[in-house]
Amino acid sequence: KAGVTQTPRYLIKTRGQQVTLSCSPISGHRSVSWYQQTPGQGLQFLFEYFSETQRNKGNFPGRFSGRQFSNSRSEMNVSTLELGDSALYLCASSYGTSGTIMSSYNEQFFGPGTRLTVL
Amino acid sequence: AQRVTQPEKLLSVFKGAPVELKCNYSYSGSPELFWYVQYSRQRLQLLLRHISRESIKGFTADLNKGETSFHLKKPFAQEEDSAMYYCALHGGATNKLIFGTGTLLAVQP
Repeated sequence: KAGVTQTPRYLIKTRGQQVTLSCSPISGHRSVSWYQQTPGQGLQFLFEYFSETQRNKGNFPGRFSGRQFSNSRSEMNVSTLELGDSALYLCASSYGTSGTIMSSYNEQFFGPGTRLTVL
Repeated sequence: AQRVTQPEKLLSVFKGAPVELKCNYSYSGSPELFWYVQYSRQRLQLLLRHISRESIKGFTADLNKGETSFHLKKPFAQEEDSAMYYCALHGGATNKLIFGTGTLLAVQP
């Protein structure tokens, strides 16, 4: 099976601009989660989408938004970019269903990330 | 509050030495704990999960609820173990993971 793909891989923007990042999950996976990775804060959860609905949201400002399409592909948008938004943005996909008797966690498979640099 | 703490940013050991990467968590319930690994220029990937109670690549981790810890251990480090290791916590019905800040393991020859 092909893995999770993210486009573009690298992006350079200036403050005030907006950006859209794309994530294509593994075939059959219906859940897509987004994480921000920075040297100072590590990996922080942004949001999760399942069957086109946002299922969970992290503590990020409203400038960060996302959506999921019927084919499970997801996009993440950041408006009015700030220098502090420079980061590696990772998406992860999973089946997203209720897991097993032992665990409610569905293993997530991560993409390679999009490196966003804000100048 | 849900939190994962990895106190060491960097752990440097020699090949063949024992390794212990520390992880402590805060969660008011029964969490699931994981270790993820990111090798240089590779994707973040799941190394092991506490409910599996298995050894992967010689690594083991035991959940200690009394000490709220989930330390990762390996008796004899190999150079190919050099990577960034993240401890993560899952709680609740959705797939949200809470990660620690990571520990860079450097195994010297």
